[in-house]
Amino acid sequence: AQTVTQSQPEMSVQEAETVTLSCTYDTSENNYYLFWYKQPPSRQMILVIRQEAYKQQNATENRFSVNFQKAAKSFSLKISDSQLGDTAMYFCALSAGNMLTFGGGTRLMVKP
Amino acid sequence: DTGVSQNPRHKITKRGQNVTFRCDPISEHNRLYWYRQTLGQGPEFLTYFQNEAQLEKSRLLSDRFSAERPKGSFSTLEIQRTEQGDSAMYLCASSHRQTYNEQFFGPGTRLTVL
Repeated sequence: AQTVTQSQPEMSVQEAETVTLSCTYDTSENNYYLFWYKQPPSRQMILVIRQEAYKQQNATENRFSVNFQKAAKSFSLKISDSQLGDTAMYFCALSAGNMLTFGGGTRLMVKP
Repeated sequence: DTGVSQNPRHKITKRGQNVTFRCDPISEHNRLYWYRQTLGQGPEFLTYFQNEAQLEKSRLLSDRFSAERPKGSFSTLEIQRTEQGDSAMYLCASSHRQTYNEQFFGPGTRLTVL
């Protein structure tokens, strides 16, 4: 069984500041992928960033980067230079085969 | 727009009625997934197809739920004898055979059972 835990139900950040969202997971598989998805209010889920477990280098996508700590089973998301459009629910997800297992989400509010 | 599409976007029904949702995946994506998301929670896996074959079903998928993908393109999810607990957002996603772990989601169908 796979589990994903997001311990921060809500977070807020000032526009242009940096924020880090936490995620821990558990799986017995050696080969797996980790993802962060963004779900804006009343809008569809968008893939933000992905990380292959076999890669040691942390993934980056423009203002988004991850801190992947495989031994600790931790996968945090850092958003730099936060923008108002980053306001959304953020879900951490794990795939070790055919389906995604999601965490409970973190609601991020970017304040002007 | 060539993303995943879902219809209808909203469905309100009375308890006991049957409902059917449709999902059109991104073209050339051979895998199609259904998830259910209740308010304030992360999506939960229901089932997935590779081409027309339904390869995995969650225990969340009770006997009242059935999904099909007859020609390996669009898929339908039917809920029979709806219950109030079925009220949720039903999400569809698809992925390409070469990057199957990377799933792209549709806008969802929000079901309200009165």
